[in-house]
Amino acid sequence: NAGVTQTPKFQVLKTGQSMTLQCAQDMNHNSMYWYRQDPGMGLRLIYYSASEGTTDKGEVPNGYNVSRLNKREFSLRLESAAPSQTSVYFCASSALDSRTDTQYFGPGTRLTVL
Amino acid sequence: KQEVTQIPAALSVPEGENLVLNCSFTDSAIYNLQWFRQDPGKGLTSLLLIQSSQREQTSGRLNASLDKSSGRSTLYIAASQPGDSATYLCAVRQGSGGSNYKLTFGKGTLLTVNP
Repeated sequence: NAGVTQTPKFQVLKTGQSMTLQCAQDMNHNSMYWYRQDPGMGLRLIYYSASEGTTDKGEVPNGYNVSRLNKREFSLRLESAAPSQTSVYFCASSALDSRTDTQYFGPGTRLTVL
Repeated sequence: KQEVTQIPAALSVPEGENLVLNCSFTDSAIYNLQWFRQDPGKGLTSLLLIQSSQREQTSGRLNASLDKSSGRSTLYIAASQPGDSATYLCAVRQGSGGSNYKLTFGKGTLLTVNP
């Protein structure tokens, strides 16, 4: 099993450009999440999808959109990138079983916006 | 709003020492608490998950405890090794498991174990 995979691993954008971060999981998990990690700020939730067909805002959703394409895939889109969006982005998934509610994380995408 | 604090922010110990990492949270109405490990440039790996009804969980040299009423958790690492060097993060999940699936993370403790 690959677990949670993310593409790309690195990306450099200019201010105003758009891009989509891709995430896929092969664990048949219901829920998927997008976080950003910044020095001194810790991990913050951007958006999550509790189940296929639903998405909800997290703590820092402004400037982002998401799509739960199917049960496996959850993408994060930056429509007009800003330097404040320079960060490391992590996708995660969980089964939401009450006994084993562990989130599994991907390796991250390191994004720089110039 | 839930806030999670981890102390210390950084810790350096000699190999073989036993150590304790601390995590505190402001809202005791949690569903569970997780400890994660993050190696430089990598994603997070779950180490231990404690349900709100549990007092502790153990995995190998790791033992995590939870005192929900006081809003505290500790991660005990026995006989530390250089391979334990990493950032350790604590995260709490709110709610009763219904519609609130969000985790609130602390900022982590950077552990360095010196040979």
